[in-house]
Amino acid sequence: KQEVTQIPAALSVPEGENLVLNCSFTDSAIYNLQWFRQDPGKGLTSLLLIQSSQREQTSGRLNASLDKSSGRSTLYIAASQPGDSATYLCAVGYNFGNEKLTFGTGTRLTIIP
Amino acid sequence: KAGVTQTPRYLIKTRGQQVTLSCSPISGHRSVSWYQQTPGQGLQFLFEYFSETQRNKGNFPGRFSGRQFSNSRSEMNVSTLELGDSALYLCASSLTDRLSTDTQYFGPGTRLTVL
Repeated sequence: KQEVTQIPAALSVPEGENLVLNCSFTDSAIYNLQWFRQDPGKGLTSLLLIQSSQREQTSGRLNASLDKSSGRSTLYIAASQPGDSATYLCAVGYNFGNEKLTFGTGTRLTIIP
Repeated sequence: KAGVTQTPRYLIKTRGQQVTLSCSPISGHRSVSWYQQTPGQGLQFLFEYFSETQRNKGNFPGRFSGRQFSNSRSEMNVSTLELGDSALYLCASSLTDRLSTDTQYFGPGTRLTVL
């Protein structure tokens, strides 16, 4: 069974700092990996999707990398802003079992002004 | 282009009742997935529909069911509600059922509280 872990569960950093969020998964036979952000009480917003054949994706201040062999992905946020405060979830799409996406438990990020 | 919409946004029910939640996907999207989010279990997959057919199902009891209409709108139903069904129910749509390339777009969710 695919398991997705995100550590730490919570992270606080001063505004302006660069930071890295981590995601690890147990089964490397994945189709893709997505990073989402979720604001309190709201739905999920897709940030980046990395296909299994790719190593990284970039969007603005965000850069996500994928290392299938080690079962790890990172989300790099440059020059953090208070508006980046949210919970970040990674989700793995894979072809075993009957689930479409398996989500990690998330990292709650707080940017301190 | 309008995003995924879910109705109602908030719902309060009592144990033993049943509830129906609705999801309208982004125009042109044919795949709709449902997820349950709770503080203890996180986001868990319920089921996925594509072209009116259930394609995948998560590990939930038979009290949870769903359907998809010809216009891709989807409903999920929970019968005989239990306290543990209190959760945020999220719907997501994607263009096709190609897991390798499609981004999932989520709605704002329906917050269900069971008393």
